[in-house]
Amino acid sequence: EIMMTQSPPTVSASLGERVTLSCRASQSINSDLAWFQQKPGQAPRLLIYGAFTRATGVPARISGGGSGTEFTLTISSLQSEDSALYHCLQYHNWPFTFGPGTKADIK
Amino acid sequence: EVQLLESGGGLAQPGGSLRLSCAASGFTFSFHAMSWVRQAPGMELEWVSVISSSGLGTYYADSVRGRFTISRDDSKKTVFLHMSSLGAEDTAVYYCVKGEASSGFSGSGDWGQGTRVTVSS
Repeated sequence: EIMMTQSPPTVSASLGERVTLSCRASQSINSDLAWFQQKPGQAPRLLIYGAFTRATGVPARISGGGSGTEFTLTISSLQSEDSALYHCLQYHNWPFTFGPGTKADIK
Repeated sequence: EVQLLESGGGLAQPGGSLRLSCAASGFTFSFHAMSWVRQAPGMELEWVSVISSSGLGTYYADSVRGRFTISRDDSKKTVFLHMSSLGAEDTAVYYCVKGEASSGFSGSGDWGQGTRVTVSS
């Protein structure tokens, strides 16, 4: 099973600030990496797949990068609606596995 | 518009059984793999099971293998998750997820709103 880790556990930043979240896989997953955003009481929302492809409707300020074992999700200018929990997912091998999440807060 | 409507959640006794259903609309159901993903309270997401578009391929997380069975009825555009030998660790919100033809994952990002399962005496 491929283990996914995320850092930091929590990030707190001001409106308009640049934020970068990290995700690491225990072995290479090529670019089979997705990012989800989840707000309390809601289903996860797909943001990024294929490591860097934005899902439909995702604003350009959100971008993904990386390949192999190291990945990032960057929010170039943090907005109030970005306050949420962010999960990474590898779908390279079964079982698909998620990271523990990074919580993003507004200062 | 893709819609995935889960049902069947509720309170179950430890050791008991429950069947979840997910009614799909807005796409050609028989062309797509379907999955169940769960989230226990305060825990990370877990991809529980996938069924291929043909129904011939099924995959399970180790935590549920031998206790859960995924199936589909293309005539009813519905995917099921039959859960047995339930334990407290199965308490979670269960989400239905649309996949691609050949993978449980899809870049379309179509998830249901979830159905809550609570296992407690």
